[in-house]
Amino acid sequence: GEDVEQSLFLSVREGDSSVINCTYTDSSSTYLYWYKQEPGAGLQLLTYIFSNMDMKQDQRLTVLLNKKDKHLSLRIADTQTGDSAIYFCAETPTTGGFKTIFGAGTRLFVKA
Amino acid sequence: DAMVIQNPRYQVTQFGKPVTLSCSQTLNHNVMYWYQQKSSQAPKLLFHYYDKDFNNEADTPDNFQSRRPNTSFCFLDIRSPGLGDAAMYLCAARGRDTQYFGPGTRLTVL
Repeated sequence: GEDVEQSLFLSVREGDSSVINCTYTDSSSTYLYWYKQEPGAGLQLLTYIFSNMDMKQDQRLTVLLNKKDKHLSLRIADTQTGDSAIYFCAETPTTGGFKTIFGAGTRLFVKA
Repeated sequence: DAMVIQNPRYQVTQFGKPVTLSCSQTLNHNVMYWYQQKSSQAPKLLFHYYDKDFNNEADTPDNFQSRRPNTSFCFLDIRSPGLGDAAMYLCAARGRDTQYFGPGTRLTVL
C-alpha cells in the first residue's frame, strides 16, 4: 500500500537552513504537499508540487522532487524560531480517490 | 480570511454523552474530510464526502457518524464518546489541487 516516511526530529540553529526529507512509495502520485502544524493548531498548507515538476520555490521555501528516488524535500532558508513546528509530508495517489497519505511528521527545533 | 472553520475550538464532554463537532467551508469545494489526530501523530482519516457521496474508512468505529447537509457544512457526531476518543478533530476541504484544514476541535472526555 501507499506509505510516506519522514525522519521524526530535526534541530537547527537560528539563521541556518533546514532540510526536511520525505520518501513515498506511490509513483503515481499527482500532488505532494508540505504542511506545518504548530502546537494546538490545525495543519497549514505551506506549499505543494505537481509530480511533473522538479523544484518549486516560494520565498524562503524550496521544494525538491526526485521522482526516480521517490524523494521529496523541503528546504527552509534562514530558519527562524517561529519555524519551530511539526512538518508533515503528504501525497495524493492517483489510485486513492480523494485520500491524502500523510507521513508521521518531522518535529523541527530551532535553537536561538 | 478563514476558509475552513471549526466550532467549537475546545469541547468537553462526559463519557458516553453524545457530542457533535461542526465544520464549515467558504471554498465551495466538493470534498470534505474528517480526521482524528492524537499526540501530534499523523492525522487519521475517519471519512470523507465527495458532494453527498459518503466514504467511510474501514477502521472507523461505528461510534463515529457524519452528516453533510449542504456543500458548506459537515458535522461529526460521536454517539458515545469513550476516553480513547479524546483527540484533536480536524476538518478539511479539498479543491482540485489542494486540501485546506480548519484549526481543529480539541475534544476532552471526562
